[in-house]
Amino acid sequence: RKEVEQDPGPFNVPEGATVAFNCTYSNSASQSFFWYRQDCRKEPKLLMSVYSSGNEDGRFTAQLNRASQYISLLIRDSKLSDSATYLCVVIHNYGQNFVFGPGTRLSVLP
Amino acid sequence: DVKVTQSSRYLVKRTGEKVFLECVQDMDHENMFWYRQDPGLGLRLIYFSYDVKMKEKGDIPEGYSVSREKKERFSLILESASTNQTSMYLCASSRTGYDGELFFGEGSRLTVL
Repeated sequence: RKEVEQDPGPFNVPEGATVAFNCTYSNSASQSFFWYRQDCRKEPKLLMSVYSSGNEDGRFTAQLNRASQYISLLIRDSKLSDSATYLCVVIHNYGQNFVFGPGTRLSVLP
Repeated sequence: DVKVTQSSRYLVKRTGEKVFLECVQDMDHENMFWYRQDPGLGLRLIYFSYDVKMKEKGDIPEGYSVSREKKERFSLILESASTNQTSMYLCASSRTGYDGELFFGEGSRLTVL
């Protein structure tokens, strides 16, 4: 079993749709949680952190459930520019070990 | 503007050649990482370093070595390239701590013939 698993995707949604991605992690010692975004043929970049209380950044909402070892990302009012691969990331060992999920690809269609 | 720079965007090498991939960061980060990314397999950690001259094996270190002689520079070495090392190689750096920001270079696409 992989340490970090994500919905396999791809997700093809129309503009304006709401889409949710799920991620589970197996290591209960995981300390911090993040979503990264990777555009086609580009490097991954940090999208947002994920806090236990849940957090929002514009159209993006991230949630963490430590008891279930589950992370989610909700995108509201999808834009064409949201098309990318979304990577779930967990951190161990005081920032020295980043573990990436395999990613979920999103295509927002006109 | 913070930056991680990888020396080559595209390389083509022959089986058995020695390959050097270099990475430089200008953020004074303690930690540096080398990943490879392959379709369907995601990002896999090859090696990381948390200090000068220190290195730790990641998930797939076989066939690779690394060097960190200066804080800002982390090199990946393929002693004898093989076709199964054809991949996208991504270097990254981070500060020690939990803020989660890993800064990546643009990647080096290596093809081994």
